[in-house]
Amino acid sequence: SYVLTQPPSVSVAPGQTARITCDGNNIGSKSVHWYQQKPGQAPVLVVYDDNDRPSGVPERFSGSNSGNTATLTISRVEAGDEADYFCQVWDGSSDHRGLFGTGTKVTVL
Amino acid sequence: QVHLQESGPGLVKPSETLSLTCTVSGGSINNHYWSWIRQPPGEGLEWIGFIYYNGITNYNPSLKSRVTISVDTSKNQFSLRLRSVTAADTAVYFCARAMYSPYSYYFDSWGQGTLVTVSS
Repeated sequence: SYVLTQPPSVSVAPGQTARITCDGNNIGSKSVHWYQQKPGQAPVLVVYDDNDRPSGVPERFSGSNSGNTATLTISRVEAGDEADYFCQVWDGSSDHRGLFGTGTKVTVL
Repeated sequence: QVHLQESGPGLVKPSETLSLTCTVSGGSINNHYWSWIRQPPGEGLEWIGFIYYNGITNYNPSLKSRVTISVDTSKNQFSLRLRSVTAADTAVYFCARAMYSPYSYYFDSWGQGTLVTVSS
């Protein structure tokens, strides 16, 4: 079955750029969505359809997707960006199911 | 801005049925897809299934034999039933609105989540 793999953790200094990867077989052929989850809270959609942002999400959040890797990029990182981030796709190839990545903890140093 | 709120028992005994309801406010349940997603403590997210307002459902194959999702448009609610639960079903359960984009779905509005513990 289809698997989405993310690095367990990413550390970044304030003002720098964080890049969170999501690896999957030929993921570039799928639409990738990204969620931010802070402790004790529900996930929040930050990027959908590879690189679109819901209203209210800062332009500092952007996405890309090609080949076997999708990437969420957070520019000019702020302390408030510290959270878990999950990628998500729709696996319509066989099982027709929603699928989330393993999650990445972003720590702001 | 649509608002979702989960409700139901926080404790369920092993082998029994977990039942949760999600109430949608600030918008109509019609013409949308609605989903259940869970997260075991300290772990990642697992999609359980979704229902269209007209009753069409789609379930995660790993849970399909035990899951039923239903909708009540008159109450602007949808519900989850998970049968024969075990400790492995202990999780925070979220309801969410699923938006369709070509060949994909994503979740743009979420409830706050409710912790369900399976224990005798």
